[in-house]
Amino acid sequence: TQLLEQSPQFLSIQEGENLTVYCNSSSVFSSLQWYRQEPGEGPVLLVTVVTGGEVKKLKRLTFQFGDARKDSSLHITAAQPGDTGLYLCAGGFEGGSQGNLIFGKGTKLSVKP
Amino acid sequence: DVKVTQSSRYLVKRTGEKVFLECVQDMDHENMFWYRQDPGLGLRLIYFSYDVKMKEKGDIPEGYSVSREKKERFSLILESASTNQTSMYLCASSLIGAQGLYEQYFGPGTRLTVT
Repeated sequence: TQLLEQSPQFLSIQEGENLTVYCNSSSVFSSLQWYRQEPGEGPVLLVTVVTGGEVKKLKRLTFQFGDARKDSSLHITAAQPGDTGLYLCAGGFEGGSQGNLIFGKGTKLSVKP
Repeated sequence: DVKVTQSSRYLVKRTGEKVFLECVQDMDHENMFWYRQDPGLGLRLIYFSYDVKMKEKGDIPEGYSVSREKKERFSLILESASTNQTSMYLCASSLIGAQGLYEQYFGPGTRLTVT
């Protein structure tokens, strides 16, 4: 059974601080997605990484895929209240069942002004 | 932009009622999914479909059924709603990607309360 562990589960920080969220597994993924979900809304896709060691940047957000494609991190620089939300990672497997993703349980981020 | 819409944002039903949740996507995606999301349990897959009239059970199909008569529409049915089905229900769609590249696009969710 493939599992994705996210840490930390909760994070409460002040505006302007930096933070890193982790997504780890013992399984190898062919791709990994990061989503952000605001309260009462559906998850919104932020980024997909597919190559081991790949780094992608989205404004103040930096996403990295581990060299072995078993883990990923999301780093936010100078967090703002608008970054508040639930961050989910999800992994896809080549040959996996028709596009199913394995989701982590998420990191709930609160950025206080 | 991919757009996935769900028929209701909020729904309140009574125990024993039959409940229909509708989902429509406008991007000609082959795959469609139904999840429920509960605090501490994350997203759990109920059913998915990879083609019209095709369906596969996910991790928690008990008490639910689905229907996919048209490619763009995927319906979730609660045959006899129970209080433990109170949850946030999320629909998603995706292409059949190559090399495990499966990006799912979600609807806004339906918050269902069963009393």
